[in-house]
Amino acid sequence: GDSVTQMEGPVTLSEEAFLTINCTYTATGYPSLFWYVQYPGEGLQLLLKATKADDKGSNKGFEATYRKETTSFHLEKGSVQVSDSAVYFCALGHTGARKGGSEKLVFGKGTKLTVNP
Amino acid sequence: DADVTQTPRNRITKTGKRIMLECSQTKGHDRMYWYRQDPGLGLRLIYYSFDVKDINKGEISDGYSVSRQAQAKFSLSLESAIPNQTALYFCATSAENTEAFFGQGTRLTVV
Repeated sequence: GDSVTQMEGPVTLSEEAFLTINCTYTATGYPSLFWYVQYPGEGLQLLLKATKADDKGSNKGFEATYRKETTSFHLEKGSVQVSDSAVYFCALGHTGARKGGSEKLVFGKGTKLTVNP
Repeated sequence: DADVTQTPRNRITKTGKRIMLECSQTKGHDRMYWYRQDPGLGLRLIYYSFDVKDINKGEISDGYSVSRQAQAKFSLSLESAIPNQTALYFCATSAENTEAFFGQGTRLTVV
């Protein structure tokens, strides 16, 4: 079955450091890939997504590129801020003949990021 | 108002009790989901529904049941709660060509 493996944390960085959180997946077909973020005490919010190979998703300074050849979707940010402290989840979703949807998301275990001033 | 509202936000219940978690959404989406989150395990799908008459089991449905009362409402029941059902539960909704939108979660403790 489908699965997502992401770098286990916790990850602790100083403000303005470079961030990479690795994510690889196993799936049949051509899934859409997502990064969700969970701030303390809140639900998950979509951070960015990519729906086909070589797509780059970006938002709030975060980026991830859908790499089919390496089945990866690594999250990066060039300069993290204290406000980026959260748990980050990589996920994949199969949409069948439909594109862009996220039915039956499969999640990684999450990576907790703490950014210190 | 939140797009996806879960009630209650926190609940402590005793082993063997029946409990219902409720979810409502104002997004107008047809798809709704229940996930549970456990430390170190990420989110796992309990049940999902693509419309009012289409309900499906997820990977960890044992011990749970659901009801889709209307397009906007999807409730999760624990018929006889047990301690290993202590977790953070999330409801989510989506439509074709959209990402999933999550509620703020219900923290359930079974003692």
